[in-house]
Amino acid sequence: GAVVSQHPSWVICKSGTSVKIECRSLDFQATTMFWYRQFPKQSLMLMATSNEGSKATYEQGVEKDKFLINHASLTLSTLTVTSAHPEDSSFYICSARAGGFYNEQFFGPGTRLTVL
Amino acid sequence: AQSVTQLGSHVSVSEGALVLLRCNYSSSVPPYLFWYVQYPNQGLQLLLKYTTGATLVKGINGFEAEFKKSETSFHLTKPSAHMSDAAEYFCAVRPRSNDYKLSFGAGTTVTVRA
Repeated sequence: GAVVSQHPSWVICKSGTSVKIECRSLDFQATTMFWYRQFPKQSLMLMATSNEGSKATYEQGVEKDKFLINHASLTLSTLTVTSAHPEDSSFYICSARAGGFYNEQFFGPGTRLTVL
Repeated sequence: AQSVTQLGSHVSVSEGALVLLRCNYSSSVPPYLFWYVQYPNQGLQLLLKYTTGATLVKGINGFEAEFKKSETSFHLTKPSAHMSDAAEYFCAVRPRSNDYKLSFGAGTTVTVRA
C-alpha cells in the first residue's frame, strides 16, 4: 500500500525558533499533499494544500508567513513553523495523494510539536 | 458547503459487543464518504470508503458501513468488538469532484471493556 512518512515524529523547541517538518511519499508520486493540525482530543483541521511546483493554498485563518509550505518534488513536502510560540504546539499530520480520480489521501504518522 | 456530524464523542462497548458509530453529512449532493481510525499519537488509517455502487461497504478489521441517502447517514458498525478496536474514529467527506479536500467530523473515541 501507499506509505507516507513524516520526520521528525516529535520535536521540542524553544519559543522563537523555527521548526521544519518533512512529509514524504515513499512508494508513489504525490501530485498533492495536505497539511493538517490536530489539537488534543479534537478533529483534524486542514491548514493548506500543496501541489508540486506551485504555491500552497492556505485555508482561511492560517497564516501563510508563519506556516511555510514547500512542495519541491513529487515525493516531498515540508512545513516550516517560523518563530514558533507555545500556542503552535500541536500534532501536525500530512497526507498525500497520487493522481487519478479515485485516488484518495494517504496519511503520515504525524509530528508532535511542543514549543517551550 | 459540507459538514459532518458524528453523534457521540465517546462510545464504550464490551468486548464482543456490537460497535455502532454514527455519522451524518450535510450537503446538497451526496459526497464521497470515509471512515478513518486513529490510534494514539499516530496518523489516520482508512477503514473504508463509499464512492458509488453498493451502499453497504466492507472495510478492514471487520468494519462495515452503509450509505443511506434518505437519512444522509454513513454509520459504521462492527458486529463484535475487540480490545484492539479502542481508538479514535473519524468520519469524513469530500465532494464528488476534483476537490480532494476532506472535511472531518469531530471524532468518536471508542473504549472496549474486557
